[in-house]
Amino acid sequence: GAGVSQSPRYKVAKRGQDVALRCDPISGHVSLFWYQQALGQGPEFLTYFQNEAQLDKSGLPSDRFFAERPEGSVSTLKIQRTQQEDSAVYLCASSLRGPAYEQYFGPGTRLTVT
Amino acid sequence: DQQVKQNSPSLSVQEGRISILNCDYTNSMFDYFLWYKKYPAEGPTFLISISSIKDKNEDGRFTVFLNKSAKHLSLHIVPSQPGDSAVYFCAASGFIAAGNMLTFGGGTRLMVKP
Repeated sequence: GAGVSQSPRYKVAKRGQDVALRCDPISGHVSLFWYQQALGQGPEFLTYFQNEAQLDKSGLPSDRFFAERPEGSVSTLKIQRTQQEDSAVYLCASSLRGPAYEQYFGPGTRLTVT
Repeated sequence: DQQVKQNSPSLSVQEGRISILNCDYTNSMFDYFLWYKKYPAEGPTFLISISSIKDKNEDGRFTVFLNKSAKHLSLHIVPSQPGDSAVYFCAASGFIAAGNMLTFGGGTRLMVKP
């Protein structure tokens, strides 16, 4: 079956631009997660949705980061006024149950802010 | 404060031999542990997991060992194959109170030489 898909796969933004990253989770997966992965490091948690409810946004680094999942399926991570330190791979994952179970990852969106 | 650590950034093994990847954690609230494998330009792929009620879980060539008293887990790959060459991440979560996320180590790059 189809896995988690993300678009775009690569995004180059000029500093100060807004960007929107999309995630299509596995059909039927209740939980959706966003992670940020810097070069040479492991993924770091940003935010978690259960259906359409954002239950945890403790990992979002600043108020420039905003995520939504209005219909409990597709999710969008928006970054306003991008900065160079936002350059990273943004990974989306979904899980059939809760956050403590196996999460299935998409290929990621590599964001480069110039 | 890194709660999950992989102290070896890289490991080189001959094809057919055993690969042993190690991971240490500090948060005693973690009770579920996972290993992910990542190829370049792809998202992490779930490999194997273990609950804290077990000390070993095996799936084909892959075995994960958990030593709760030492807060240490390891992944054994036997026999190693060139296709196993990838970055391996260990991750931890908690069913009760360890956050709505997977907490990842920094990864170990495994190179299996033919």
